[in-house]
Amino acid sequence: GQNIDQPTEMTATEGAIVQINCTYQTSGFNGLFWYQQHAGEAPTFLSYNVLDGLEEKGRFSSFLSRSKGYSYLLLKELQMKDSASYLCAVRDGDYKLSFGAGTTVTVRA
Amino acid sequence: GAVVSQHPSWVICKSGTSVKIECRSLDFQATTMFWYRQFPKQSLMLMATSNEGSKATYEQGVEKDKFLINHASLTLSTLTVTSAHPEDSSFYICSVTYEREYEQYFGPGTRLTVT
Repeated sequence: GQNIDQPTEMTATEGAIVQINCTYQTSGFNGLFWYQQHAGEAPTFLSYNVLDGLEEKGRFSSFLSRSKGYSYLLLKELQMKDSASYLCAVRDGDYKLSFGAGTTVTVRA
Repeated sequence: GAVVSQHPSWVICKSGTSVKIECRSLDFQATTMFWYRQFPKQSLMLMATSNEGSKATYEQGVEKDKFLINHASLTLSTLTVTSAHPEDSSFYICSVTYEREYEQYFGPGTRLTVT
């Protein structure tokens, strides 16, 4: 089975930086994904890591350490529209995605 | 990314009736489609994996006779919730992929409410 942990909630101020951590234990590993999900909507793809290191994509960056079973999503220059749930998902040896419970980020003015 | 549609976007049905949800891949042929369920304030849980022309593979704890999946073509998969009960009320989301090694693209979801 899969075990994916991430914090339940985080609050930050507009313009600030927030880091969302994700730890995982899976049977097989074929990549780690981060998704953004607004209430009542489907997840939208943010980033993908399969090798160790940092992937940067505009205001969003994601880091992976496979040996530690650890990833983080970094959101810079926070905007009000970034208020959403952020899901960490691991793809296992069978190429199935297992999702964490999600981290609700609230951006305050 | 790929364009995936789901129909209906929301549905209300009475307990004991059946509901069919369609998932369509609009701009490429999807060899594999996935069905997820999401309860309020919880994460997505994979229900089943569907490959075109073959029977769906259900995750542990998901009743295959209750959640009927048909993947009749490379662009269409359907999920039928049979004899729905209030506890089946949830957000059902499909995703598609060209090949299993590729990224999954998610549909907009279907909100099912069983009264």
